[in-house]
Amino acid sequence: AQTVTQSQPEMSVQEAETVTLSCTYDTSESDYYLFWYKQPPSRQMILVIRQEAYKQQNATENRFSVNFQKAAKSFSLKISDSQLGDAAMYFCAPAFFNAGGTSYGKLTFGQGTILTVHP
Amino acid sequence: NAGVTQTPKFRILKIGQSMTLQCTQDMNHNYMYWYRQDPGMGLKLIYYSVGAGITDKGEVPNGYNVSRSTTEDFPLRLELAAPSQTSVYFCASSYGVGGKAFFGQGTRLTVV
Repeated sequence: AQTVTQSQPEMSVQEAETVTLSCTYDTSESDYYLFWYKQPPSRQMILVIRQEAYKQQNATENRFSVNFQKAAKSFSLKISDSQLGDAAMYFCAPAFFNAGGTSYGKLTFGQGTILTVHP
Repeated sequence: NAGVTQTPKFRILKIGQSMTLQCTQDMNHNYMYWYRQDPGMGLKLIYYSVGAGITDKGEVPNGYNVSRSTTEDFPLRLELAAPSQTSVYFCASSYGVGGKAFFGQGTRLTVV
């Protein structure tokens, strides 16, 4: 069974500063994709960033970047120049799959990290 | 471009009642999913489908049923509602393995 752990239930950051959210996972599957989703109070699930596990280069998306350490099974999210609109619950969500197709790339969610941004 | 549409947005159900949560997508995605989110928690997979006529159980399938007769629609049926099914339900769809998942707006269900 796959597990996803977000060890920081809550984090806070000052506006314009940088914050890093942690995520570790455990799997025996052969390949996977990794996602970070943001859920503001509206409860809409918004994709923040996507990383392909076979790529060594870390994904970036404007102010958002990841530090992907495949051997350590770690996938952290860095938010630079934090803005008030970044305040939300953030979920790490790997999608594991295998060559036999039995995992079908289903997203497995961590428990989430609530991010507060202070003006 | 509607994306993933869920209905209803809110519902109060009495213990023992049944209901169907509707989900439809207009992106021709082959994969569709149902998740539930309990307060302050992450999403847990209830059922998923990799195409019309093909469904399988996720992590928490007890008390639920699904069907997928078309690519577009993936309804979730609750039989004999229980208080433990009070949650927010999300439908999602994606194209292929590793594709970006698009989520509906969620259904807040309360069982009293």
